[in-house]
Amino acid sequence: DSGVTQTPKHLITATGQRVTLRCSPRSGDLSVYWYQQSLDQGLQFLIQYYNGEERAKGNILERFSAQQFPDLHSELNLSSLELGDSALYFCASSVGIQETQYFGPGTRLLVL
Amino acid sequence: AQSVSQHNHHVILSEAASLELGCNYSYGGTVNLFWYVQYPGQHLQLLLKYFSGDPLVKGIKGFEAEFIKSKFSFNLRKPSVQWSDTAEYFCAVNIDTGRRALTFGSGTRLQVQP
Repeated sequence: DSGVTQTPKHLITATGQRVTLRCSPRSGDLSVYWYQQSLDQGLQFLIQYYNGEERAKGNILERFSAQQFPDLHSELNLSSLELGDSALYFCASSVGIQETQYFGPGTRLLVL
Repeated sequence: AQSVSQHNHHVILSEAASLELGCNYSYGGTVNLFWYVQYPGQHLQLLLKYFSGDPLVKGIKGFEAEFIKSKFSFNLRKPSVQWSDTAEYFCAVNIDTGRRALTFGSGTRLQVQP
């Protein structure tokens, strides 16, 4: 158990819908990262927050957005969902910006 | 932008065989290197990491990796694998400046046969 928690574990929804994935970082970690793991794209970085502020963006679609709240938990919002958004979404956290990232158990999203 | 290559996509070994998984990265500057393991149905777990210092790093469960800067490589090794090592292994890199997000390789699926 890494100490990073993610909810829900599984999510099944329909195309066009919107979902919110939640991540709670390890106690004391200020930095949160979101990654997407799919069969065709592998593991890809989406976005990073540090102490409530967006720090870096990766291959994140405009339909996707995220935020980090004052209690440091983060949410990833996925809207206008398409079949191709079906994937495993991981959250990771680290103490600062330079330290090792620890991963949560992921949320498996299935878009039908 | 940096990239990471894992050339072995699927490796099948018998128990007690030795393991070496290749990882090469493309970036000319200072990098931090990681190996993560993903057991079936589970999340990514850190096996080992290299930030600086001794290029031979030891991780958990008997794994080690050697950073060879001249070859841009960070290969993972284990002298004797067990059935419980069956998993997918990911090499990852982040650069020492700017964005710290990890760039992952495509992964190597290791299957250990009893």
